[in-house]
Amino acid sequence: GESVGLHLPTLSVQEGDNSIINCAYSNSASDYFIWYKQESGKGPQFIIDIRSNMDKRQGQRVTVLLNKTVKHLSLQIAATQPGDSAVYFCAEMGGSGGGSNYKLTFGKGTLLTVNP
Amino acid sequence: EAGVAQSPRYKIIEKRQSVAFWCNPISGHATLYWYQQILGQGPKLLIQFQNNGVVDDSQLPKDRFSAERLKGVDSTLKIQPAKLEDSAVYLCASSLHGGPYEQYFGPGTRLTVT
Repeated sequence: GESVGLHLPTLSVQEGDNSIINCAYSNSASDYFIWYKQESGKGPQFIIDIRSNMDKRQGQRVTVLLNKTVKHLSLQIAATQPGDSAVYFCAEMGGSGGGSNYKLTFGKGTLLTVNP
Repeated sequence: EAGVAQSPRYKIIEKRQSVAFWCNPISGHATLYWYQQILGQGPKLLIQFQNNGVVDDSQLPKDRFSAERLKGVDSTLKIQPAKLEDSAVYLCASSLHGGPYEQYFGPGTRLTVT
């Protein structure tokens, strides 16, 4: 069936470096793609989203890139800090008949470790 | 603004026992979700409510899992009887309208079935 997957299960970076977390998706009908951050013992926290008709969206220290040609999504974190250490999930959201029935489908996650 | 509240935070039960989880969404959020997150995986949607009506329960194992949101606010998820494979974190989330907006997650309940 349709799924969202990640290229790398773990990523280790030095503090101050830029981080890039990748995600492949297979459902070309998805309307939105969302990145979540999940720290140990907490629920996922929204980071940034991008609509399917966009290629790039920037937030504070984060940028999401969407390449629909190869069905690839990436999250770039600038000047990575120890507080960025967490599991990062990409998720796709597609409507089912529109209205309020938008289902969120998560990938498996990438563990980001920031070394001081 | 208070976040999504869940209780208990941790629960250990033996297989074939019953367990219930409680969720209080963010005030005013009409849509409420229950997710199951098995260790090392992303959350999987179990059921979605819009006010007190079920919008999607296609992935809810209905032979053992049940959920309700009687007054359109708090919700309870029950497992009866529990199996070993039910060991997971159960996350509750809420959103204002349920459309393509941010879902706010609670801290989850970690269930261990022995």
